[in-house]
Amino acid sequence: GNSVTQMEGPVTLSEEAFLTINCTYTATGYPSLFWYVQYPGEGLQLLLKATKADDKGSNKGFEATYRKETTSFHLEKGSVQVSDSAVYFCARSSRGNEKLTFGTGTRLTIIP
Amino acid sequence: GAVVSQHPSRVICKSGTSVKIECRSLDFQATTMFWYRQFPKKSLMLMATSNEGSKATYEQGVEKDKFLINHASLTLSTLTVTSAHPEDSSFYICSARGVDRYTDTQYFGPGTRLTVL
Repeated sequence: GNSVTQMEGPVTLSEEAFLTINCTYTATGYPSLFWYVQYPGEGLQLLLKATKADDKGSNKGFEATYRKETTSFHLEKGSVQVSDSAVYFCARSSRGNEKLTFGTGTRLTIIP
Repeated sequence: GAVVSQHPSRVICKSGTSVKIECRSLDFQATTMFWYRQFPKKSLMLMATSNEGSKATYEQGVEKDKFLINHASLTLSTLTVTSAHPEDSSFYICSARGVDRYTDTQYFGPGTRLTVL
């Protein structure tokens, strides 16, 4: 079946550090891939997405590239800020199947 | 664009009562809405998928008679938790999938925190 495996947290970094959160997915179908962010006490917000192989999604300094050869969609940011502290969810959907399958989420804390 | 609202944001009720949660797409028409439940420090669990004008499709293990879903229009879906009990306390999140340029992406509401005493 469809699944998403996400780097377990929590992750704690200092401000301006480089961030990578790993995400891999099962290769069935032709999935679209997403990163969602959840700030404390709030719902999920779409951070970025990619719909086909080699696409790069980017937003607010975050990037992720759809890698078909490694079935990965790792989230990266060159210099994190305290305001980036949140829980990050990797997710996939498949064409013809509207359902999203989420990873377990990675809690990120940035220390000043 | 693509804003989804939920009401109420927080509700506390007594055991045995019913609670209705609304999910609205504010600036687009949503042919499909989804209801999720999130436990503390856990991922989202899909409860059901609702399509406008038809019955909701529930995921395995979700009681359809307990979690009533109505999707009466292209901008509104409601989730009613009937005869709520403390174990129903959770964070309920809806999402909406649109027509036109908003296809293939789910946009999430801010969530409703339900506490059953």
